[in-house]
Amino acid sequence: GESVGLHLPTLSVQEGDNSIINCAYSNSASDYFIWYKQESGKGPQFIIDIRSNMDKRQGQRVTVLLNKTVKHLSLQIAATQPGDSAVYFCAEAPPDDKIIFGKGTRLHILP
Amino acid sequence: DGGITQSPKYLFRKEGQNVTLSCEQNLNHDAMYWYRQDPGQGLRLIYYSQIVNDFQKGDIAEGYSVSREKKESFPLTVTSAQKNPTAFYLCASILHSDRGKLFFGSGTQLSVL
Repeated sequence: GESVGLHLPTLSVQEGDNSIINCAYSNSASDYFIWYKQESGKGPQFIIDIRSNMDKRQGQRVTVLLNKTVKHLSLQIAATQPGDSAVYFCAEAPPDDKIIFGKGTRLHILP
Repeated sequence: DGGITQSPKYLFRKEGQNVTLSCEQNLNHDAMYWYRQDPGQGLRLIYYSQIVNDFQKGDIAEGYSVSREKKESFPLTVTSAQKNPTAFYLCASILHSDRGKLFFGSGTQLSVL
């Protein structure tokens, strides 16, 4: 079946550096993509989203890039802080709103 | 304060027993979702409901059942047919106009005795 996946299970980044988390998706019908952050023992929280008619969207310290040609999504976090330590999931939403998540990337911040 | 509440936080199931996980939201959200999360894994969709009295199977619906009799409630029953129920269960809700912006509860950890 079609699914959303991530390239790296764990990413270690020096505090203050930028983080880039990648995601590949396979459902060409998906027209909406979302990034979530999950801290230990909690439910995921919405970070940022992007529609398929866009290729970039910026938020506060975060940027999402969408490359529909290669079905790739990335989340960039600027000036990574200790509070950014978490598992990050990408998700895709096709028109029927069957929202599917990837396996996640754990972001580890080095002091 | 508006939010989505899951209960209980921890639940234990005996062999052959059905258990029901509660999910209630007072956000006036239209759709509700149930996901299962295994350690080191992503979220897998069990069931979702876009309107009252209607729901659709997700990718791993076997061994689970749901109901949506009220807009604010979407309980999940883990039946005895689910042979490996130990997992972290997450409920979420969303406004139809806010596509993809799921609000999650704090989860229920289900374990088998």
